[in-house]
Amino acid sequence: DQQVKQNSPSLSVQEGRISILNCDYTNSMFDYFLWYKKYPAEGPTFLISISSIKDKNEDGRFTVFLNKSAKHLSLHIVPSQPGDSAVYFCAARLDSNYQLIWGAGTKLIIKP
Amino acid sequence: SQTIHQWPATLVQPVGSPLSLECTVEGTSNPNLYWYRQAAGRGLQLLFYSVGIGQISSEVPQNLSASRPQDRQFILSSKKLLLSDSGFYLCAWSMGRGEQFFGPGTRLTVL
Repeated sequence: DQQVKQNSPSLSVQEGRISILNCDYTNSMFDYFLWYKKYPAEGPTFLISISSIKDKNEDGRFTVFLNKSAKHLSLHIVPSQPGDSAVYFCAARLDSNYQLIWGAGTKLIIKP
Repeated sequence: SQTIHQWPATLVQPVGSPLSLECTVEGTSNPNLYWYRQAAGRGLQLLFYSVGIGQISSEVPQNLSASRPQDRQFILSSKKLLLSDSGFYLCAWSMGRGEQFFGPGTRLTVL
C-alpha cells in the first residue's frame, strides 16, 4: 500500500524555467511533509518541509505547496539550474511516530 | 555543526558471509538514529530506528539486525547475507521528530 506516491519517474525542464514536482498521499494522519534531493551514490539532502497546518512554505528558489483537500503537495523550483538535476523524494510523517513514509522519487533533468 | 559518518562506502560480500555497517554522529547528543535501504529505482525503506542506547525498533522483518551500543553509534549487522540484501544502505539522524539528515551511504553488493 503506497501511502506516498510520486507518479512521474522523471521530468525534463529547460534551464531558467520552473520545475514542478508532484506528490500525492492517501493518509490523512500525516502531519508533516518533506522534500529531499539526492545525487547518485550519496545520501539524500533535506530541502524544505511544510506542516499540515500550512499551505505554503518558501525558501529561496524552492516553494512547497500543500493542498490537504486533494491530498497533494508540490515542489516548485524557480529558476531551475543545472545543479538541480537530481532525484527528488517526497516524504510524509505520521502524527503518532518517528517514521517517514517515502515516495519512489522523481528524476529531474535540467536541460541547458 | 553536526556530521554523520558511514563506512565503508562500498562493500562486496559473498552470500552467506556476515555484515557489519557502522554509522556515527558527531556534534549532537541523544539523536534518533535510522537505517534505511534503497533498492535500485525505488524509494527509501526504513529498516530500523532507535530513540536511545539499546532501544531498537524493527520496521521490516528480515535477515538484518541493528544495535546501538553508544549514544551516537548505530550498527547494522547480518550473520549470513542473502543475494536480496544487496542495495544502498543509508544511516540518518534526527532530533526528536524533526527533519532527518543522512550519511553518505554504503553500496552493498552480495554475490
